[in-house]
Amino acid sequence: QVQLVQSGAEVKKPGASVKISCKTSTYTFTNYYIHWVRQAPGQGLEWMGVIVPDGDGTFYAQKFQDKVTLTSETSTQTVYLEVNSLRSEDTAVYYCAREGYGDKTPHFDQWGQGTLVTVAS
Amino acid sequence: QSALTQPASVSGSPGQSITISCTGSSSDIGGYNFVSWYQQHPGKAPKLIIFDVTNRPSGVSNRFSGSKSGNTASLTISGLQAEDEADYYCCSYTSSSTRVFGGGTKLTVL
Repeated sequence: QVQLVQSGAEVKKPGASVKISCKTSTYTFTNYYIHWVRQAPGQGLEWMGVIVPDGDGTFYAQKFQDKVTLTSETSTQTVYLEVNSLRSEDTAVYYCAREGYGDKTPHFDQWGQGTLVTVAS
Repeated sequence: QSALTQPASVSGSPGQSITISCTGSSSDIGGYNFVSWYQQHPGKAPKLIIFDVTNRPSGVSNRFSGSKSGNTASLTISGLQAEDEADYYCCSYTSSSTRVFGGGTKLTVL
């Protein structure tokens, strides 16, 4: 079945960067966008941005435009989220989620398991 | 883009029906039929339960239904079961081509 498998938990110091991976399988990688959503402890879901997997475009929420970078690697069907200048407020679970395009409508039909990033000195 | 507005919590007894509202604006919910709903159990990833306002993915119980009127979307769960106890989030496509979530609603089955 469709799988989005994310990399493991990270602990980082303030000011550092973190790069999380989302490896996809069992579907045509280039037929779906990959979005990133974060969830701070005890809080709701927050949309961060999206990447076209063939690397042909990224689009970020205004809040995250200078904060995150999305990249993809078609050879391994993996998408990456890099978050820079980490602060304690960036402590959260980060999810990747798949969304079809073309003849499909915008909704997230598959999600990764989540990656906890803890920022602490 | 401000988050969509959902009630913080709702509750109901087994067998009853509940409705969760999700209010946005003409730039998101009111402008498109691209509202989706997600169920999230503690410590788990969200799961899609409704897309395009009213559609259920294969495998999702028909006890879940969605609707929309103007700038407000709604999720109704009928025949409440203990397993329905979870957090529920609405999400909409926006005029800026972004996505926006609601703040989430905690459903308690009494």
